[in-house]
Amino acid sequence: AQRVTQPEKLLSVFKGAPVELKCNYSYSGSPELFWYVQYSRQCLQLLLRHISRESIKGFTADLNKGETSFHLKKPFAQEEDSAMYYCALGSGNTGKLIFGQGTTLQVKP
Amino acid sequence: GAVVSQHPSWVICKSGTSVKIECRSLDFQATTMFWYRQFPKQSLMLMATSNEGSKATYEQGVEKDKFLINHASLTLSTLTVTSAHPEDSSFYICGVARDNNEQFFGPGTRLTVL
Repeated sequence: AQRVTQPEKLLSVFKGAPVELKCNYSYSGSPELFWYVQYSRQCLQLLLRHISRESIKGFTADLNKGETSFHLKKPFAQEEDSAMYYCALGSGNTGKLIFGQGTTLQVKP
Repeated sequence: GAVVSQHPSWVICKSGTSVKIECRSLDFQATTMFWYRQFPKQSLMLMATSNEGSKATYEQGVEKDKFLINHASLTLSTLTVTSAHPEDSSFYICGVARDNNEQFFGPGTRLTVL
């Protein structure tokens, strides 16, 4: 079964601390993974995708097929990073996305 | 990225009425749009895939007669919640997929059924 799991509902850190938002997936094929972010009162927007292997706003995520994980990391959290983060799995060529439960990141001053 | 709008952004209706929600792709012709539902403090759940010019594909457990989807043009998909009841109250979000599977989302529509 295709599934995305984000074990933490809330992650609270102080400004400047490292951040890791966990994401594990279950998929029989070759996965396509995304991180989406939703800031307060804004639309859900793409943060990064595994195939582009880029760093956006200081965030990176590496696909680990052995551990079936796609954790999102940032070495030094900023207050403006406070938002809801969703990990999503692309399902084949249909364009469908399967979302994890989401993790609220709270960065305290 | 693509610009996606939804209308209305918030709607309150009485139980038993039907509610139509529009999703527009403003700068991109979308053959495929997706409709999601999000309950408070929960994740987005895919309801259906809206295909331009053909019938929508519904996910398991989603009643197609309850949630009517029409994708009549490359820029517009509508979701009609028929005979809405309080348990249909939710946040409905549409997504537009580009060729590379990247999705762009509308701002969502909050439906409250009294």
